[in-house]
Amino acid sequence: EVQLVESGGGLVQPGRSLKLSCAASGFTFSNYYMAWVRQAPKKGLEWVATISTSGSRTYYPDSVKGRFTISRDNAKSSLYLQMNSLKSEDTATYYCARHAGSPGYNDYWGQGVMVTVSS
Amino acid sequence: DIQMTQSPSFLSASVGDRVTLSCKASQNINKYLAWYQQKLGEAPKLLIYNANSLQTGIPSRFSGSGSGTDFTLTISSLQPEDVATYFCLQHNSWNTFGAGTKLELK
Repeated sequence: EVQLVESGGGLVQPGRSLKLSCAASGFTFSNYYMAWVRQAPKKGLEWVATISTSGSRTYYPDSVKGRFTISRDNAKSSLYLQMNSLKSEDTATYYCARHAGSPGYNDYWGQGVMVTVSS
Repeated sequence: DIQMTQSPSFLSASVGDRVTLSCKASQNINKYLAWYQQKLGEAPKLLIYNANSLQTGIPSRFSGSGSGTDFTLTISSLQPEDVATYFCLQHNSWNTFGAGTKLELK
């Protein structure tokens, strides 16, 4: 059974940093692109970052480019999201998701972790 | 950037009804459209990918159609457990989600 479990969320002040983690199990992690997707309170979904199987290629929308960094450790079956210079508009539930197909869509999602950016 | 527009925003229907949700892309996305179901407090669940391919384990009352810019998700006979918000996602050029359709029971 595919499982994705996020951790590392919490309350952080504007301008500070936070790192999210996602522990994957139930599939061969190194064979899949992975992604982060977020959802602001009572809002829709927004793609945040995608990483290739080896980690050599990463992709971001303009809203987070230069502030967020996605990375992975295939030996640990873990995905990460380093978030710097956080803004109030980054407040959201962050989901780790497995990428499938080509071009890719997200087929399995974690339960999400809440990040609140507030002073 | 590709924009995705879902309609209606809210839909109220009765058990057993045939329900149709719409998703329109601002430009051609070929067949690369997915549908998700999100129940309150839960993560999204993949229903359909590549416009009309049913994800493993999803009931056959769910079906998808369309190509290019216009897509539809159909629930052939609405069940109480289908109450949820439904999102579309274009996966032709990176990923863009629609704003969602909230489906309620009448």
